[in-house]
Amino acid sequence: QQQVKQSPQSLIVQKGGISIINCAYENTAFDYFPWYQQFPGKGPALLIAIRPDVSEKKEGRFTISFNKSAKQFSLHIMDSQPGDSATYFCAAESSNDYKLSFGAGTTVTVRA
Amino acid sequence: DAGVTQSPTHLIKTRGQQVTLRCSPKSGHDTVSWYQQALGQGPQFIFQYYEEEERQRGNFPDRFSGHQFPNYSSELNVNALLLGDSALYLCASSFGHEVGNEQFFGPGTRLTVL
Repeated sequence: QQQVKQSPQSLIVQKGGISIINCAYENTAFDYFPWYQQFPGKGPALLIAIRPDVSEKKEGRFTISFNKSAKQFSLHIMDSQPGDSATYFCAAESSNDYKLSFGAGTTVTVRA
Repeated sequence: DAGVTQSPTHLIKTRGQQVTLRCSPKSGHDTVSWYQQALGQGPQFIFQYYEEEERQRGNFPDRFSGHQFPNYSSELNVNALLLGDSALYLCASSFGHEVGNEQFFGPGTRLTVL
C-alpha cells in the first residue's frame, strides 16, 4: 500500500515555464516531507524538504507548498530549464518509525 | 569524499539463487538504509541499520536480510531469488537516524533475476 500518492506521472513543460507536482498522504504521523530528484543511472538526491509547521519553503527556483489540513503538498519548479529534466519523488517520514515512504515519481521533461 | 558507493553495479542471477549487495556509506555517516526501486516506481524501504543492528524494517519477507559492519559499511542479502526481485537496489547513508537527517543515496545495484 502506497502511503504517498503522487501526480502526474509525467509532464512536459517549455523552457521558462512552471512545473507543478502534487502529492497526498493519509498518515497524520508524517512530520517530514522531502522531495528528491533522480537522473537516469543515478540515485535520488535531496532537492528540498519541509516540516508541517510551515506552509511554504522556497530554495532558488524550487518551492514546496504544504497544506496540513488537506494532507497535501506540492513542488513548484519556476523558470524550468532543460537541466531540470529528471524524475522527481515526493516522500514522507514519521518520527514514530523513521521509514521514508516515497511517491511513485513524476518524470519532468523540459523542452528548449 | 567519494559519497555513497555500491557494488556491484549490475548483477544477473537465476531464480532460487542468493545474492549479496554491498554499500559503503559517505564518510562520517553511521546509518545505512536499503531501498528497492522497481522500474518506473519510487524506492521502497527495506530496512535500516544503525550501530550494527537492524533498527527499522519495511514490508519485505525474511528472504531479505542485512548486516552492518563496525566500519559502518553494509550488506544486503537476498535468498531464494524470485523474478519479482529484479529491481534497482539503493543504499542511502545518513549521520544518525532521526527524522529529517538527510539521506545520501548511492547509484544503486541493478539486479536482474532470470
